[in-house]
Amino acid sequence: DAGVTQSPTHLIKTRGQQVTLRCSPKSGHDTVSWYQQALGQGPQFIFQYYEEEERQRGNFPDRFSGHQFPNYSSELNVNALLLGDSALYLCASSLVRFSYEQYFGPGTRLTVT
Amino acid sequence: AQSVTQPDIHITVSEGASLELRCNYSYGATPYLFWYVQSPGQGLQLLLKYFSGDTLVQGIKGFEAEFKRSQSSFNLRKPSVHWSDAAEYFCAVGERNAGNNRKLIWGLGTSLAVNP
Repeated sequence: DAGVTQSPTHLIKTRGQQVTLRCSPKSGHDTVSWYQQALGQGPQFIFQYYEEEERQRGNFPDRFSGHQFPNYSSELNVNALLLGDSALYLCASSLVRFSYEQYFGPGTRLTVT
Repeated sequence: AQSVTQPDIHITVSEGASLELRCNYSYGATPYLFWYVQSPGQGLQLLLKYFSGDTLVQGIKGFEAEFKRSQSSFNLRKPSVHWSDAAEYFCAVGERNAGNNRKLIWGLGTSLAVNP
């Protein structure tokens, strides 16, 4: 049974560019959440998707957007990249929408130069 | 809003020694509490969780945690640390919004180093 998978593993982008990160949830899970973890910090909640809709959102600008597909996989898009967007981006999936228990992928390390 | 405080940024222990990592939370109702571990360059692995019932919960890798409502704490313990336990440890509390959607609020983490 595959766990949560994310791609790519690492990514280097230039300021002003756009990036798309991908996540496949654990088998049987239908809810996907995205977190940003800056170096030396705890994860910060970006948003959560269920039934292809954004259900809740953290304190992140509109440059951060997402999508969930019918197979429950998800994308995180970041436009107009800033140096401060450099971080580990973590995807987590939950069995059901109303569950606190989340399973995390290995993350995508984004470096903005 | 809920918050989580991990007072110790960095802890060093000797292999075989006991370990306690502190976590304090701010939450009005009965909290849903978690401890996760993150090895270098890795994602987050759930060590244990508390939802209700017995206040002493057992987790994987020999870890346990005790929920103390009076102290708003959920400290993580291990009787004898192994070198492979060196990692970053995060405490988190579950938060529910008006739409009944759930997310986790995280502490800043405690970095654990283990001396041979």
